[in-house]
Amino acid sequence: QLVLTQSPSASASLGASVRITCTLSSEHNTYAIAWHQQQPEKGPRFLMNINSDGSHNKGDGIPDRFSGSTSGAERYLTISSLQSEDEADYYCQTWVTGTGIRVFGGGTKLTVL
Amino acid sequence: EEQLVQSGAEVKKPGESLKISCQGSGYRSPHYWIGWVRQKPGKGLEWMGTIYLADSDTEYSPSFQGHVTISADKYINTAYLQWSSLQASDTAIYYCASGLTAFDIWAQGTMVTVS
Repeated sequence: QLVLTQSPSASASLGASVRITCTLSSEHNTYAIAWHQQQPEKGPRFLMNINSDGSHNKGDGIPDRFSGSTSGAERYLTISSLQSEDEADYYCQTWVTGTGIRVFGGGTKLTVL
Repeated sequence: EEQLVQSGAEVKKPGESLKISCQGSGYRSPHYWIGWVRQKPGKGLEWMGTIYLADSDTEYSPSFQGHVTISADKYINTAYLQWSSLQASDTAIYYCASGLTAFDIWAQGTMVTVS
């Protein structure tokens, strides 16, 4: 079964960096994923796709502070120089290529201290 | 610029039917997927189902199969999410989003209150 696992919460200080992890089910460890940000009381926003080789494509207007990487079945979102507006929920999402099947992770709530 | 716009908020009573819409603009062709995503108050994003606008090929999440119906009209670039009998537990914000793979375009969401 295609499953994405995220830690429920993360925190880091203003100006620091944080890495948020999304883990694919082991048999799906070559799948690409996407990261979405949802700020409080707002709708989701697409941040980037991350492929299994670590290459990533960001959405329009996404700052350079946001980057993605990969290790095995894990897909990472790294945010550097944290700002207060980065405090949000972050969701990973994947898909079965050529079909309409989509899956979300449970989300990670990021607190900027 | 590709954009999705959803219909407005709805307040319904249990047992009533409802159909909400999601209209795309700026797309060069109907060859893309539109998905529906539920978010209950204080909870995460749940994929409900996805429809391919060009031919209405539809995939449902097992969690939502049989509880909702997704349809589309490619001639007006619009997808629909429909309930035949709403329940209080359907109270949520419903988002549509599009993309060939990831959902890279999101609409503003439709608040549905069943009470």
